Amino acid sequence: QVQLQESGPGLVKPSGTLSLSCAVSGVSISSDYYWSWVRQTPGKGLEWIGEIYHGGKTHYNPSLKSRVTISMDKSKDQFSLDLSSVSAADTAVYYCARNFWGDFRYLDYWGQGTLAAVSS
Amino acid sequence: EIVLTQSPGTLSLSPGERATLSCRASQSINSDYLAWYQQKPGQAPRLLIYGASNRATGIPDRFSGSGSGTDFTLTITRLEPEDFAVYYCQQYGYSPPLYTFGQGTMLAIK
Repeated sequence: QVQLQESGPGLVKPSGTLSLSCAVSGVSISSDYYWSWVRQTPGKGLEWIGEIYHGGKTHYNPSLKSRVTISMDKSKDQFSLDLSSVSAADTAVYYCARNFWGDFRYLDYWGQGTLAAVSS
Repeated sequence: EIVLTQSPGTLSLSPGERATLSCRASQSINSDYLAWYQQKPGQAPRLLIYGASNRATGIPDRFSGSGSGTDFTLTITRLEPEDFAVYYCQQYGYSPPLYTFGQGTMLAIK
């Protein structure tokens, strides 16, 4: 059974870097999928942040691209998100998810989400 | 960037009734890249429909999706108490690679 679990600090200071990890179980992160980060705020709803493939290829939301880095540790079956220069607007519930990448495009497995707040 | 607009914002119905939720794209999209999700409070979104009309594994057949081009619909026949939640549509675009979501429709018990 595929499972994803986010982890990371719940509180980040303004202008700092928000760092989260997603542990994947039930499937190898090196299998033929992309892996995504999505965040959710009351104001903007669901926002896709970016994705990574086991070959290292990444795609980022253009609105966040200058501040986002997604990386992968295949030995641990986990991938990570770094979001720099954060402000209160980055306070959100952050989800990691698996992308189906074939004839269709969708996010079929999600973590339970982790709240990250930006505050001094 | 393609914008997805969902309507209505809130739909109030009773168990046993039929729900029809709309998702309209700002330009024509590939229906293979249109999905629907259900989200309940405190939970992650759950995939319901992919490719506009294909039910995900384990999704009851009272859920169905249809549409093409710019207009897509999620229909729930015979609402069950557990169906009252927020529903989102999502599309994928290639240039640049980008997933976007609608703002959601809240399905509320009347």
